[in-house]
Amino acid sequence: SQQGEEDPQALSIQEGENATMNCSYKTSINNLQWYRQNSGRGLVHLILIRSNEREKHSGRLRVTLDTSKKSSSLLITASRAADTASYFCATASHTGRRALTFGSGTRLQVQP
Amino acid sequence: GAGVSQSPSNKVTEKGKDVELRCDPISGHTALYWYRQSLGQGLEFLIYFQGNSAPDKSGLPSDRFSAERTGGSVSTLTIQRTQQEDSAVYLCASSSDTSPQNIQYFGAGTRLSVL
Repeated sequence: SQQGEEDPQALSIQEGENATMNCSYKTSINNLQWYRQNSGRGLVHLILIRSNEREKHSGRLRVTLDTSKKSSSLLITASRAADTASYFCATASHTGRRALTFGSGTRLQVQP
Repeated sequence: GAGVSQSPSNKVTEKGKDVELRCDPISGHTALYWYRQSLGQGLEFLIYFQGNSAPDKSGLPSDRFSAERTGGSVSTLTIQRTQQEDSAVYLCASSSDTSPQNIQYFGAGTRLSVL
């Protein structure tokens, strides 16, 4: 079953704008990861934030985590047409269970 | 290999037939996962292998679904007596057992269509 929801379900922006996606989850976590999926392809890991971290940066990506609200956000700055993809959050349980639990995803369209 | 390889990339079958999906993980990755992705949805966990054993099969939706892994490498997911609701993309992932963060590396998936 899905861990939680992502919003928005779909997002369309112009190149150069920032894109923000949100993820909510339900249970205690060890870490939260964001993955990207291009159409018809597998998922590619983007960034990981541990449960004791609040913010993390990687290039044009910024991830925040609020464990009290069980939520995370992914910000992509200065978006490019090549950023067009679906983005999923995935949580790793604090129990040590190896399977990741994925959100429902946000479809991002960046218009050139 | 360089990445996770899945075959076939597409499979069309008739209702009631059996299908086998194959996954070849990244060399040296001891952990292997199968997920299912329905159209426009997130990923649903099916089964996890550590080496050749499957300590977590909790996601298999019915006894028509089974999986095995041999030699700590290639895995096969078998769906017997396929139903239309089995239509989905089946994704395989692998990870290094030494990675506590459990970052997973995915194949491109097998798109299964049951007519």
